[in-house]
Amino acid sequence: GDSVTQMEGPVTLSEEAFLTINCTYTATGYPSLFWYVQYPGEGLQLLLKATKADDKGSNKGFEATYRKETTSFHLEKGSVQVSDSAVYFCALTKAAGNKLTFGGGTRVLVKP
Amino acid sequence: EAQVTQNPRYLITVTGKKLTVTCSQNMNHEYMSWYRQDPGLGLRQIYYSMNVEVTDKGDVPEGYKVSRKEKRNFPLILESPSPNQTSLYFCASSLITSGGPDTQYFGPGTRLTVL
Repeated sequence: GDSVTQMEGPVTLSEEAFLTINCTYTATGYPSLFWYVQYPGEGLQLLLKATKADDKGSNKGFEATYRKETTSFHLEKGSVQVSDSAVYFCALTKAAGNKLTFGGGTRVLVKP
Repeated sequence: EAQVTQNPRYLITVTGKKLTVTCSQNMNHEYMSWYRQDPGLGLRQIYYSMNVEVTDKGDVPEGYKVSRKEKRNFPLILESPSPNQTSLYFCASSLITSGGPDTQYFGPGTRLTVL
């Protein structure tokens, strides 16, 4: 079946550091890929998405590129802030099946 | 305001006592879904619904029931809760595109403890 693998956290960074969270997937067909963010005590919210190969999603300084050749969708941000401390989830969905598959989540802690 | 609401937000119950967690959305979304979040396991899909009267199992449906009698509501029912169902539960809704379910809009979560 489909699966999403994320790097395990926690990831601890200093403010203004560069952040990368790796995400790779296994899926047949052509999934859509998403990054969701969960701030403490809240539900998940969409951070960015990409629906086809080579698409780049971007939002709030975060970027991720859909790489079909490496089945990856790594999340990056050039300069993190304390307010970026959260748990980040990579996810995929497909037209066939209509289920959603999430990675295990990566906790990020940004220190001042 | 577009939103997904869940009730209750917190619930402590005992083994075997039937309970229902309600979920409602005001965005006219066709797709609704329930997830549970457990430490180290991430988010797992319990059940989903493509439209009224259309429901299907996710990855971890055992011990749960759902119904979709109206488009806006998608309650999660635990007929006989057990301690291994202690978890944080999220309801979500979305539109459906040609590529499948689109961006999920999540509720605030329900923290359930089964003693």
